[in-house]
Amino acid sequence: GQNIDQPTEMTATEGAIVQINCTYQTSGFNGLFWYQQHAGEAPTFLSYNVLDGLEEKGRFSSFLSRSKGYSYLLLKELQMKDSASYLCAVFGAGSYQLTFGKGTKLSVIP
Amino acid sequence: GAVVSQHPSRVICKSGTSVKIECRSLDFQATTMFWYRQFPKQSLMLMATSNEGSKATYEQGVEKDKFLINHASLTLSTLTVTSAHPEDSSFYICSARERTGAQTQYFGPGTRLLVL
Repeated sequence: GQNIDQPTEMTATEGAIVQINCTYQTSGFNGLFWYQQHAGEAPTFLSYNVLDGLEEKGRFSSFLSRSKGYSYLLLKELQMKDSASYLCAVFGAGSYQLTFGKGTKLSVIP
Repeated sequence: GAVVSQHPSRVICKSGTSVKIECRSLDFQATTMFWYRQFPKQSLMLMATSNEGSKATYEQGVEKDKFLINHASLTLSTLTVTSAHPEDSSFYICSARERTGAQTQYFGPGTRLLVL
């Protein structure tokens, strides 16, 4: 089966750095995605990791450790518009269906 | 990045009627499209996987006769909610998977369905 865990809610201050963790237990692994979803809108793609290590893309970085079943999304220089839910999603083996975590609701405060 | 459109964005219908939602990949070909449903404050739940030219694969608990999926071309999939009931009111989101590269899924903007 597939099991993906991430914190339900987080709060951080504008201008700060926040790290959102995701742990997964899946039958096989073909990659991990992070998506951002603002309330009432569809998810938008942020990052994709299939190999161990850090992928940096502007203010957002994503890290993967396959041996630990662990990923994190790092957001730097937080802005108010970063307040959203962040979804961790995994491709299992033999399938390209994404399994989503429940999402982490991030609130950025002044 | 790749663009996926969805139409309509909002629909209100009477109980017992059918509603069709279209999902199009605008600048890439998608052999596989996915249909999700999301209830308020909950995560996305996969309903079905739609492959071009073949029958859709439905997730457990999703009625295939109620949620009709057609994937007629590499850029278009449709979801028809037949005989809609108030409990079908939800946010329906499609995604399309690239054929090459990372095979990232890109999401449409979603369709908010309200059944009265």
